[in-house]
Amino acid sequence: DAGVIQSPRHEVTEMGQEVTLRCKPISGHNSLFWYRQTMMRGLELLIYFNNNVPIDDSGMPEDRFSAKMPNASFSTLKIQPSEPRDSAVYFCASSFTAVRGTEAFFGQGTRLTVV
Amino acid sequence: GQQLNQSPQSMFIQEGEDVSMNCTSSSIFNTWLWYKQDPGEGPVLLIALYKAGELTSNGRLTAQFGITRKDSFLNISASIPSDVGIYFCVYTGTASKLTFGTGTRLQVTL
Repeated sequence: DAGVIQSPRHEVTEMGQEVTLRCKPISGHNSLFWYRQTMMRGLELLIYFNNNVPIDDSGMPEDRFSAKMPNASFSTLKIQPSEPRDSAVYFCASSFTAVRGTEAFFGQGTRLTVV
Repeated sequence: GQQLNQSPQSMFIQEGEDVSMNCTSSSIFNTWLWYKQDPGEGPVLLIALYKAGELTSNGRLTAQFGITRKDSFLNISASIPSDVGIYFCVYTGTASKLTFGTGTRLQVTL
């Protein structure tokens, strides 16, 4: 398996533009997570899906952020309109939920710069 | 939400030295995970701990689940340059939701 695949790896955009980040989880996994990493705030969970259904989106910063998972093999995180403070590395991770918790596999991340 | 505090925040050590880092929480946990993030990559699971007092090894890495269930320790013996990265303790909650600690950044010099 190729692992969790994120695209693009790098994105530079102007303030006010719409940004869409994409994720393909590992086949067979039923949980998908979006994280954001910054120096100031570390790794923060934004939202997670279980069986394609959003379970907890309490980490989504504000209404400018939205995430979808239309099927088991694809998810998007959209920021509209983008702001400079959204600059960060965004990670997608997937796992197969088991009784005692399980390993989450992370993609390589998308480094977003909003100028 | 849950707060996981790691110490030290960063470490600079020489190749061959042993490393110790820890993680504390105000809450009791049933599972502790340790992840490592290499520069430019996503985090990768190193060790999982499921029982209070449990001591688990993975090569040069050893981790322990504290008796109080509010802390965990990670030790690395005989460090090598590829040990460079950020080490996170992680709490796993419902549906495998992961909450990451503040991280310990490790630098290894030759």
